[in-house]
Amino acid sequence: GNSVTQMEGPVTLSEEAFLTINCTYTATGYPSLFWYVQYPGEGLQLLLKATKADDKGSNKGFEATYRKETTSFHLEKGSVQVSDSAVYFCALKWAGNNRKLIWGLGTSLAVNP
Amino acid sequence: NAGVTQTPKFRVLKTGQSMTLLCAQDMNHEYMYWYRQDPGMGLRLIHYSVGEGTTAKGEVPDGYNVSRLKKQNFLLGLESAAPSQTSVYFCASSWETGGRNTEAFFGQGTRLTVV
Repeated sequence: GNSVTQMEGPVTLSEEAFLTINCTYTATGYPSLFWYVQYPGEGLQLLLKATKADDKGSNKGFEATYRKETTSFHLEKGSVQVSDSAVYFCALKWAGNNRKLIWGLGTSLAVNP
Repeated sequence: NAGVTQTPKFRVLKTGQSMTLLCAQDMNHEYMYWYRQDPGMGLRLIHYSVGEGTTAKGEVPDGYNVSRLKKQNFLLGLESAAPSQTSVYFCASSWETGGRNTEAFFGQGTRLTVV
């Protein structure tokens, strides 16, 4: 069945370091791909999305490219800040399954000053 | 712009007690969801609804019931709380008429402890 696999955390970085959080997926058809972020004590919010192959989603300095050939949607940021400390979730949705989101387990990021 | 509002934000229950969590959205979304979040287990779907008057089971429905009498509200009930239901509960909603590209909007969560 459809699934999402994220790299395990926690990830700990120093401020201004480069960030990559890996996400790969298994899906039938043509899913849309999402990254959500959860700041401490809050609900999840959409960070970025891509809806077809080779699309690049971007927001707040974060980017992810929908790679159909490698079934990946890795999240990257060139220079992280302390305020980026959060849990990041990769997810997919497709036309089947009543369009329910399929979630990765989340990756915790801690950025130290 | 309220978005998705969950009440209460915190609750402590004794084993065997019942309670209802309320989720309200003001975005006219058709789909609504209840998730639970536990350490190391990500988000797990409890129940969901694709429209007013409809409900369906998710991955972990046992011990929970839901109702969607009005489009804007989605209630999650625990009839007889158990310690295994200690968790953070999130409600979400989404607009699905546009297809598979739309995002889900989340509430702030309810932290429930069953002792």
